[in-house]
This record gives sequence, C-alpha cells and structure tokens, in this order.
Amino acid sequence: DTGVSQNPRHKITKRGQNVTFRCDPISEHNRLYWYRQTLGQGPEFLTYFQNEAQLEKSRLLSDRFSAERPKGSFSTLEIQRTEQGDSAMYLCASSFYSRAEVREEAFFGQGTRLTVV
Amino acid sequence: TQLLEQSPQFLSIQEGENLTVYCNSSSVFSSLQWYRQEPGEGPVLLVTVVTGGEVKKLKRLTFQFGDARKDSSLHITAAQPGDTGLYLCAGSRGSTLGRLYFGRGTQLTVWP
Repeated sequence: DTGVSQNPRHKITKRGQNVTFRCDPISEHNRLYWYRQTLGQGPEFLTYFQNEAQLEKSRLLSDRFSAERPKGSFSTLEIQRTEQGDSAMYLCASSFYSRAEVREEAFFGQGTRLTVV
Repeated sequence: TQLLEQSPQFLSIQEGENLTVYCNSSSVFSSLQWYRQEPGEGPVLLVTVVTGGEVKKLKRLTFQFGDARKDSSLHITAAQPGDTGLYLCAGSRGSTLGRLYFGRGTQLTVWP
C-alpha cells in the first residue's frame, strides 16, 4: 500500500448525468476526507468519515452530492444531475486518529478531475 | 472570505534566491499543515506544526508556527527549480484534525 488511491483519475460527463468516484485510503487509516478544488483555489472541505460514520458535512455538499463509507474502508462520492459548476478536482485524503496521536496528519490522493460538458 | 490568507499569491525567482511565504489568520488553529501541489496532482504533505512558536526544518525549508497559533511562515533557502509548485497552508481548528481550512496557495516558480 503506497498511499491514497482515487479512481478514476479523469472523468468527462454530460450535464445532467450522474457520476461516482471511489477512494481507497491508506490501509490503517480510520478517517477519510473529501475535498473539492477549483482552479486558482485551495481545496474546500466537503465531508469526512471516521470508520463508517459520517462526522461532518459542509454546506457545499448539496442534496445532489452523497458520500458513503459502508464498511469503513473505501469511500464513494456520487454527484447526481451534474452541472457545469461541478467541474473541479475532487480530492480524497485519509488520516489515523487516536486519542494518543497528537500530530494527526492527512495524506491526499492524486484526485479525480471532473469535467462537465 | 478565506479563513487563512496566503501571501504572496505568485512568486517568481531565480535559482539560489531565498524566499518566505506567509499564512495568516485572525483565528487560532490547533495545528497547521503545509502542502506542496504539482499541476494535476493531489497535495503532498510537507510538515505539521502543533505548538505555538514551533520551528521545523526540512532540508532547505524552514516552517514556523506563530506564538499565538494564528499564523505560519515557510522559508526556503537557496531555492532550486525543483522547488517549483503550489504551496498550500491548511489549518485545523478542532481538538482532532477533522476539517482542514486551506489558503488559496502561493504559486512558486524558480528559474534556472
């Protein structure tokens, strides 16, 4: 296991279609995060999980967006009825949380570039 | 409005020069991370600082966390073309890492 893995790396879709992205975290990491990054901006937080529980969701995550982590391992992010404004890089990160870990760190995957045409 | 303001937004320098990138906020952070990102790739973690006044060195890179944990700086000595990239600071406000608040980044270009 060499890091966080995201698939696909690139996705082009027509407006109105649904898309799903997958993220496989670093194997021993119990937390998984989704971020979105548009050109010229830093990543914006979408949501995160600890094991299978979704602990926080951003207001950016509209009703068309849903994320799951059913078995506490990989996660999927689905966007329904895509819009041109959804075009962005979708980034996944993972970290290991424990009460004893003072310096928790998040490691990012290579991202999925979504283009809505 | 960004919780973390980075400056400068763009930096173009010659190989061998020194530079400093700043990351400022009016909010207190429990930890702050610096990442470097290449075009089309995800951010790569450089360092995490958690204690006010903490200084960490990574070869030619020196990172400092402000005493009040509201700001941070990244200093690069004798920059090289391989240092070219987007430098992002990101802060955590909770008792655990949780959500990270990112700055807009500093695009550094080092010319040979």
